[in-house]
Amino acid sequence: GAGVSQTPSNKVTEKGKYVELRCDPISGHTALYWYRQSLGQGPEFLIYFQGTGAADDSGLPNDRFFAVRPEGSVSTLKIQRTERGDSAVYLCASSLAGLTDNEQFFGPGTRLTVL
Amino acid sequence: SQQGEEDPQALSIQEGENATMNCSYKTSINNLQWYRQNSGRGLVHLILIRSNEREKHSGRLRVTLDTSKKSSSLLITASRAADTASYFCATGNFGNEKLTFGTGTRLTIIP
Repeated sequence: GAGVSQTPSNKVTEKGKYVELRCDPISGHTALYWYRQSLGQGPEFLIYFQGTGAADDSGLPNDRFFAVRPEGSVSTLKIQRTERGDSAVYLCASSLAGLTDNEQFFGPGTRLTVL
Repeated sequence: SQQGEEDPQALSIQEGENATMNCSYKTSINNLQWYRQNSGRGLVHLILIRSNEREKHSGRLRVTLDTSKKSSSLLITASRAADTASYFCATGNFGNEKLTFGTGTRLTIIP
């Protein structure tokens, strides 16, 4: 079956521009997570959705970052006024019910480069 | 912030040997999970061990958990070239659905 998909796979943008990153979770998974991974580091949590609502957005670094999941399926991570420090791989994951011992299934990630 | 630290940061062994990676974490946990990542993308879930478990096996993988020392180890037996990847531990906590990842171990299997 289809796994988590993310588009685009690579995004190059200029400092100050706006970008949108998309995540399609596994069908039927109610929980969706965004993580960011910098080079040589482990993924760091950004935001978690249960259904349509953001249940935990404590990992968003500042108000330039925003994410939505309007119909409880596809999610979009939005970054305004991008900065070079935003360059990273952005990973999306989904799980069946958002319980802490449920396996999270990760997508291939979007590599964002801010010039 | 990173919860855990993996040790060693990098490990190279001959194919067929066993590989052991360690993970230390800082706070109380509900479970600890190990993930594999190839080429800086696509994390793959390997195994989950709950806080009331001490050891778990899955194929060539063996995971131990010592909550008193806040540490875990991942053993890969009879390593293969395809095991070359980065390995991360991640902790989950009660009432908190996010995973907190460690810094990873880069494993290289030499054919």
